Amino acid sequence: NAGVTQTPKFQVLKTGQSMTLQCAQDMNHNSMYWYRQDPGMGLRLIYYSASEGTTDKGEVPNGYNVSRLNKREFSLRLESAAPSQTSVYFCASTRDTPQPQHFGDGTRLSIL
Amino acid sequence: RKEVEQDPGPFNVPEGATVAFNCTYSNSASQSFFWYRQDCRKEPKLLMSVYSSGNEDGRFTAQLNRASQYISLLIRDSKLSDSATYLCVVNIMDTGRRALTFGSGTRLQVQP
Repeated sequence: NAGVTQTPKFQVLKTGQSMTLQCAQDMNHNSMYWYRQDPGMGLRLIYYSASEGTTDKGEVPNGYNVSRLNKREFSLRLESAAPSQTSVYFCASTRDTPQPQHFGDGTRLSIL
Repeated sequence: RKEVEQDPGPFNVPEGATVAFNCTYSNSASQSFFWYRQDCRKEPKLLMSVYSSGNEDGRFTAQLNRASQYISLLIRDSKLSDSATYLCVVNIMDTGRRALTFGSGTRLQVQP
């Protein structure tokens, strides 16, 4: 049982480049989330999808877009990467809020 | 004021010690509470849910005080393997946001 799978695990980009972070879950969960984690800042919610077909902004959505492709997959896109977006990105899923979330093992993104 | 606040630590304790962490939350509409554990450079993992009557899981005890709006985690007989960051997590119902809110974490270092 893979749980939540994120790809890629590591990525280095140049300022202005774009890329998409992929996330897939095999637990038939309804809700999916994207977080970023910076040293000393804790997890901050970027976007979430409470159910298939819906997406909502979280605490720090600027510079990002998301797509809930189907029930399994939720992608995060950086259209024009900036050094301030250097971070560790985590995807998570849950059957429904307020159930606990299951996390992927993260994508380490560096933007030069 | 942050919605969920934790003492960042680090808490340095010897093996076998008992250690307690507190977490305060600002929104009285919060309904669900969890403790997560995060190892260095790893994803957060659910440690335990926190129930109104308090609950225990082996060496770990969680308590909720709704009147004072705080949650606690007690670890007895600390092991070296307990060294990690412990995240307090709250579901705040009245923000309109269907997502959990994470504290920044309390770091525990258990020493031999």
